Amino acid sequence: DARVTQTPRHKVTEMGQEVTMRCQPILGHNTVFWYRQTMMQGLELLAYFRNRAPLDDSGMPKDRFSAEMPDATLATLKIQPSEPRDSAVYFCASGLGEVPGVDEQYFGPGTRLTVT
Amino acid sequence: KNEVEQSPQNLTAQEGEFITINCSYSVGISALHWLQQHPGGGIVSLFMLSSGKKKHGRLIATINIQEKHSSLHITASHPRDSAVYICAVRSISADLKTSYDKVIFGPGTSLSVIP
Repeated sequence: DARVTQTPRHKVTEMGQEVTMRCQPILGHNTVFWYRQTMMQGLELLAYFRNRAPLDDSGMPKDRFSAEMPDATLATLKIQPSEPRDSAVYFCASGLGEVPGVDEQYFGPGTRLTVT
Repeated sequence: KNEVEQSPQNLTAQEGEFITINCSYSVGISALHWLQQHPGGGIVSLFMLSSGKKKHGRLIATINIQEKHSSLHITASHPRDSAVYICAVRSISADLKTSYDKVIFGPGTSLSVIP
């Protein structure tokens, strides 16, 4: 049963600390997406990769956020330094599509981040 | 005015009812996506549409590009259909200097199907 996995599932941290969220896409999928969901803003696309190359990260605050794919089985999203407004659920999704952001995707369970 | 709107915002239905959720958008798009978010938070991709109609089981999605509108229909609704349904579009635009595309999400429709 192939699925996208994310770690950690929950993270509570203090403002100013570095946070790293990890995602393992489904084996063979060539696109990976990072989303953020908050009560106020709903779902937002932060960044996506195709064949490990970053294609678009315009939705991501550049000063503190960074997204990478060190290899085909791991995607990371880092926040440094974290701020209370970063509190959200961060979803990773993977797929095989050519259309960024709206092709069929398989979502991970999300990482619930709380920054105090 | 939001670029992607959904109606209704909340919907309660009796089991067995036919349900329609609407999504309208004000931008040019290349594709539209329907997502389902379960009460536990998990998200499932339902349909990706660029024209016409798609059907999967009891779910039907249609899109009218000219009217900038899409509908998600659920036939013979069941309590397990209770979820938030989210519409997302990939918008495209080009002006004299730049071209861009971005993904815009609707606010979601919360559906509750009662036995």
